[in-house]
Amino acid sequence: DAGVIQSPRHEVTEMGQEVTLRCKPISGHDYLFWYRQTMMRGLELLIYFNNNVPIDDSGMPEDRFSAKMPNASFSTLKIQPSEPRDSAVYFCASSELGLAGGRLGGELFFGEGSRLTVL
Amino acid sequence: GIQVEQSPPDLILQEGANSTLRCNFSDSVNNLQWFHQNPWGQLINLFYIPSGTKQNGRLSATTVATERYSLLYISSSQTTDSGVYFCAVWRSQGNLIFGKGTKLSVKP
Repeated sequence: DAGVIQSPRHEVTEMGQEVTLRCKPISGHDYLFWYRQTMMRGLELLIYFNNNVPIDDSGMPEDRFSAKMPNASFSTLKIQPSEPRDSAVYFCASSELGLAGGRLGGELFFGEGSRLTVL
Repeated sequence: GIQVEQSPPDLILQEGANSTLRCNFSDSVNNLQWFHQNPWGQLINLFYIPSGTKQNGRLSATTVATERYSLLYISSSQTTDSGVYFCAVWRSQGNLIFGKGTKLSVKP
């Protein structure tokens, strides 16, 4: 079975440009998460979706960041305009619900990440 | 919010040695996972373990949810075990929270 698929794997862009990162979750998973990893802050949750609906976007750093999930097999994370401090590895992950009673806790699977460098 | 603390932060081993990594968490959790981030940056699932003990080859994990800790055991370490080991917990209300990780270096 294919895992979580992310593209591009590497992106180098100049400050002010728009960046779009893409993710295809594992088929059948109804939760999708976007994480960012930096040396300073480690792994941070940016936003997560349930059945294509954004549930918690409190981790999105500012209005320059936006995420969409138009259908169950595709999500995008967009940064516009990009800044050097946005340089990081962005991970997408997906899971099933996993637990009784509607509680979160299904096993989470990560994509290979998109390494973004903003010059 | 919930705190996830991992120890030790850094560990250097000689190939063949055994080690124990610890994860403490400050509140009740729905579930817990251990990940290995290899030198290429991939996050690999090791264990999905809300309680009890699981084994997979040279690795095993034990979670004692009532005492709010989990342990990851690595036996007969190999150079390919190098990388960062993350513990992550599912909060009772919300998402997966990661610890800062244990950086393991296994020397030949």
